[in-house]
Amino acid sequence: SQQGEEDPQALSIQEGENATMNCSYKTSINNLQWYRQNSGRGLVHLILIRSNEREKHSGRLRVTLDTSKKSSSLLITASRAADTASYFCATAGGYQKVTFGTGTKLQVIP
Amino acid sequence: EPEVTQTPSHQVTQMGQEVILRCVPISNHLYFYWYRQILGQKVEFLVSFYNNEISEKSEIFDDQFSVERPDGSNFTLKIRSTKLEDSAMYFCASRSYAANTGELFFGEGSRLTVL
Repeated sequence: SQQGEEDPQALSIQEGENATMNCSYKTSINNLQWYRQNSGRGLVHLILIRSNEREKHSGRLRVTLDTSKKSSSLLITASRAADTASYFCATAGGYQKVTFGTGTKLQVIP
Repeated sequence: EPEVTQTPSHQVTQMGQEVILRCVPISNHLYFYWYRQILGQKVEFLVSFYNNEISEKSEIFDDQFSVERPDGSNFTLKIRSTKLEDSAMYFCASRSYAANTGELFFGEGSRLTVL
């Protein structure tokens, strides 16, 4: 299974602090994606990093990928209360199937 | 901005009844997916669909489940005889044809409650 496993399962930080979430997966991938889910809502794509990339930035998001360790991290800098959500990594190995991890529930306290 | 729409937003049904969940993917997308999320748990892949046929399915997607794209716009998930354990949020997603674009666009989900 390519299923990602995120850690921590839950993270609580103060507004303005940085939040780091990690994801590990089991098999080779074409790309790894991070999604966000507000409670009870659909998932929203945040960022995609390809297997030949090591780091990618998008606004306050920074994603790293280490294919030798089969791991990725998502850093959210200068967190805001509105960043409170669950964050999932998702791996795509074959052409179509995208498999989601277990998620990290982030709470940003104002 | 184009979006994936799902109906109904919430359906309550009796065990053993048939349920159809509907999705309208983004119009120029060619890959379609159903995922399931039991409350507070992980997002589980059910099935992917391309070129009017299932391209991949998970172990969850047994004979009780079926998908179809009856009219070129809607993409439906049918559960023939619902069980209590089918209670979950069901998310539809779609993806464009471009091979380098792995991003999935999700709908807001249909909450299924089986009593």
